[in-house]
Amino acid sequence: EVKLLESGGGLVQPGGSMRLSCAASGFTFTDFYMNWIRQPAGKAPEWLGFIRNKANGYTTEYNPSVKGRFTISRDDTQNMLYLQMNTLRAEDTATYYCARWTHTTVDYWGQGVMVTVSS
Amino acid sequence: DVVLTQTPPTLSATIGQSVSISCRSSQSLLDSDGDTYLNWFLQRPGQSPQLLIYSVSNLESGVPNRFSGSGSETDFTLKISGVEAEDLGVYYCMQATHAPLTFGSGTKLEIK
Repeated sequence: EVKLLESGGGLVQPGGSMRLSCAASGFTFTDFYMNWIRQPAGKAPEWLGFIRNKANGYTTEYNPSVKGRFTISRDDTQNMLYLQMNTLRAEDTATYYCARWTHTTVDYWGQGVMVTVSS
Repeated sequence: DVVLTQTPPTLSATIGQSVSISCRSSQSLLDSDGDTYLNWFLQRPGQSPQLLIYSVSNLESGVPNRFSGSGSETDFTLKISGVEAEDLGVYYCMQATHAPLTFGSGTKLEIK
């Protein structure tokens, strides 16, 4: 069974930083691209970016809305995905999901972790 | 960015009724490889989104066949043939043809 479990969320002050983690299990993590997607309460999801697998050089793609502030990385030895978020703003408040990418779509999502940016 | 416009924003249905949700794209979603990367998700209350349909009309494994998808280029439809109580929630279309990936604003299905 595919499982994705996010952690590391909470309250952070504007201008601060936070690192989210996602533990993957139930599939061959090294084979897949992995995404981060966020969803403000009551709104539609927003794709943040993805990281390709080792075979494709671990390269990344980002939504321009977060490019330069957010960084996606992975540790295939631990089946872990990360999202480093810097210079956080109130509008970054949302539930953050990690999600697996097939060759056509996002298929599995984690249960999400909440991030609140507030003073 | 590609804008996906979903209608209606809310939908109220009785058990057994058939309903349709529209998703219109600001650009053609036909990719240069010949595929069309338009997908549908259901987000039940308090849960993360679940994939229902990928590439316009392909049913994800384990999804009941009362769900079906159709369309091309810029106009797409999700149909539920015989709504069941477990179908309540918010439905989102998502395109993966153009970067960045984008989602529709959602259609909330309520059960009467």
